[in-house]
Amino acid sequence: KQEVTQIPAALSVPEGENLVLNCSFTDSAIYNLQWFRQDPGKGLTSLLLIQSSQREQTSGRLNASLDKSSGRSTLYIAASQPGDSATYLCAVRSWGGGYQKVTFGIGTKLQVIP
Amino acid sequence: DTAVSQTPKYLVTQMGNDKSIKCEQNLGHDTMYWYKQDSKKFLKIMFSYNNKELIINETVPNRFSPKSPDKAHLNLHINSLELGDSAVYFCASSQGGHNEQFFGPGTRLTVL
Repeated sequence: KQEVTQIPAALSVPEGENLVLNCSFTDSAIYNLQWFRQDPGKGLTSLLLIQSSQREQTSGRLNASLDKSSGRSTLYIAASQPGDSATYLCAVRSWGGGYQKVTFGIGTKLQVIP
Repeated sequence: DTAVSQTPKYLVTQMGNDKSIKCEQNLGHDTMYWYKQDSKKFLKIMFSYNNKELIINETVPNRFSPKSPDKAHLNLHINSLELGDSAVYFCASSQGGHNEQFFGPGTRLTVL
């Protein structure tokens, strides 16, 4: 059974800092891993998708890496801004029980202080 | 333009009622999903359809039945609603089963 853990659960940083969010998963036989952000009372916004054959993806100030063998992914946010305040979720797509599975972590709640 | 839309946004109903939540995507995707986010904000997948074929089917009560009339729509019908069904339900879509998912705004269901 795939389990996804995100550490830390919450993070508060001053504006301008670089930061790293962590996601770990127990079953390394994955199709891909996707990072999302969720603002309070809103839906999820896709940030980056890393296929199992890739090591990293970049979009603007965001960089996500994937190490399948160790079951880890990191989301690096450069020069954080107050608008980055949100909950960040990672989701792992894998196979199990005859169907595909998508397993989410509980998220990291980020607060960027002006 | 709304990519993935859900109706209604809010749904308040009594225990025992039957209700439906509609989802439509205009992205031309062939795969759609339903997720449930509980009060602790934990997001769990319920179903996924690819070209109207079920590809993800988690353990959910059979009171929940997805209905996909075409590739652009995946509706969620819930029979005999219970208090524990109160949650936010999200619809999502992707092109193919392995690609980036795009989420709708969510439907907050409250069962009284």
